[in-house]
Amino acid sequence: DQQVKQNSPSLSVQEGRISILNCDYTNSMFDYFLWYKKYPAEGPTFLISISSIKDKNEDGRFTVFLNKSAKHLSLHIVPSQPGDSAVYFCAASEMMINFGNEKLTFGTGTRLTIIP
Amino acid sequence: DVKVTQSSRYLVKRTGEKVFLECVQDMDHENMFWYRQDPGLGLRLIYFSYDVKMKEKGDIPEGYSVSREKKERFSLILESTSTNQTSMYLCASSFWTGGPDTQYFGPGTRLTVL
Repeated sequence: DQQVKQNSPSLSVQEGRISILNCDYTNSMFDYFLWYKKYPAEGPTFLISISSIKDKNEDGRFTVFLNKSAKHLSLHIVPSQPGDSAVYFCAASEMMINFGNEKLTFGTGTRLTIIP
Repeated sequence: DVKVTQSSRYLVKRTGEKVFLECVQDMDHENMFWYRQDPGLGLRLIYFSYDVKMKEKGDIPEGYSVSREKKERFSLILESTSTNQTSMYLCASSFWTGGPDTQYFGPGTRLTVL
C-alpha cells in the first residue's frame, strides 16, 4: 500500500527551464511534507519542506506547492541547472506530538535529468 | 555540520551469513532510522529508535533486528541473509522536536547477498 506516490519515474528538462516534480498521497493524516534530493552513491539530502497550514513554501530556486484537497504536492525548480540532475523523493509525516510520529513515509522517487 | 557515517560502503555476503551494519551520528540526535532503498520502491523504513535501548518497527521489519546501546550508534542486524535482502541500506538521524524533523542520512551501504 503505497501511501506516497510519485507517478513519474523519470523526467528530462532543458537547462534554464522549469522542472516540475509531482507527488500524491492517500493518507489524510499526513500534514507535513518534505522533498529530498539524492545523488548516486550518496545519502538523500533535505531540500525543502511544507506544513499543511501553508500552500506554498519557497527557498531560492525551489518552491513547493501543496493542494490539500487534491492530496497533491509539487516541487518547482526554476531555473533548472545541470547540478539539479538527481533522484528526488517526496516524503510525508504527521505533525502529532507523540513518540513514533517522527517517521517519514517516502515516495518511490523521480529521476530528474537536466539537459545542457 | 551533521555527520552520519555507516561502517561499510559495499558488502558482499553469502546466503545465511550474519551481517551487522553500524551507523554513527555526531549531532546528539535522539532519533535514528534504518531504511532500504530499492528501484521502483523508494525508501522503506525498517526500524527506528527514539532513545537508547528503544526501538520501533517500521514498515518492513521482517528479517531484521536492531540494537541501540548508545545514543550515537544504531546497528541493523541481519541474522541470516537471503538474496531478497540485496539492497542499499541507509541510516538517518534527527532531533526529537515533538513532530517530524529533517532527517540526515549517511552515504548508504550497498549489500549484495549471493
